[in-house]
Amino acid sequence: DAGVIQSPRHEVTEMGQEVTLRCKPISGHNSLFWYRQTMMRGLELLIYFNNNVPIDDSGMPEDRFSAKMPNASFSTLKIQPSEPRDSAVYFCASSPSANPYGYTFGSGTRLTVV
Amino acid sequence: DAKTTQPPSMDCAEGRAANLPCNHSTISGNEYVYWYRQIHSQGPQYIIHGLKNNETNEMASLIITEDRKSSTLILPHATLRDTAVYYCIVRAYGGATNKLIFGTGTLLAVQP
Repeated sequence: DAGVIQSPRHEVTEMGQEVTLRCKPISGHNSLFWYRQTMMRGLELLIYFNNNVPIDDSGMPEDRFSAKMPNASFSTLKIQPSEPRDSAVYFCASSPSANPYGYTFGSGTRLTVV
Repeated sequence: DAKTTQPPSMDCAEGRAANLPCNHSTISGNEYVYWYRQIHSQGPQYIIHGLKNNETNEMASLIITEDRKSSTLILPHATLRDTAVYYCIVRAYGGATNKLIFGTGTLLAVQP
């Protein structure tokens, strides 16, 4: 089991550019979560999917952020246009449905917007 | 979900037991206590969870008071690799929404 796989590990981009973060959940896990972590705000839940359907996107900061899950093995988080305040570590996690102790987190993507 | 209160930081000597407290005075009858930890630069990692009985696994023990208003995570023999931020989270198992909300946690520093 390779765990939750995120790519890229690091991303540096210029303000105004589009950024796409990728996540491959653990096979068989049907819930997927995107979190953002900063020093100021800690770990924030952005959005989560159940069976590829977005269930709660109340944590998505604004319209510049969008997330998709076209199939059970892949999800993307897109920021367009990116801003310096979007700099953070973005984590993806997956779990069997309705199983909070089954969360497995990826290694994260460190995003720097200059 | 009920809120939790944890000390912002704690120290522990290597080889000694680390006891991390958590207050959750507004916990409901159907809410579980979960503990996760985050080692620097890594994603959070599940440790243990419980409802009202004490629980033990290969990583830690969880002691929940009889009134369930507080709990303690115990790492029996802390090592330097246990230095991390520990999060106590309370939520209903199998609730309408399957999501974990993280607070600020306790930074445990294990000293050599």
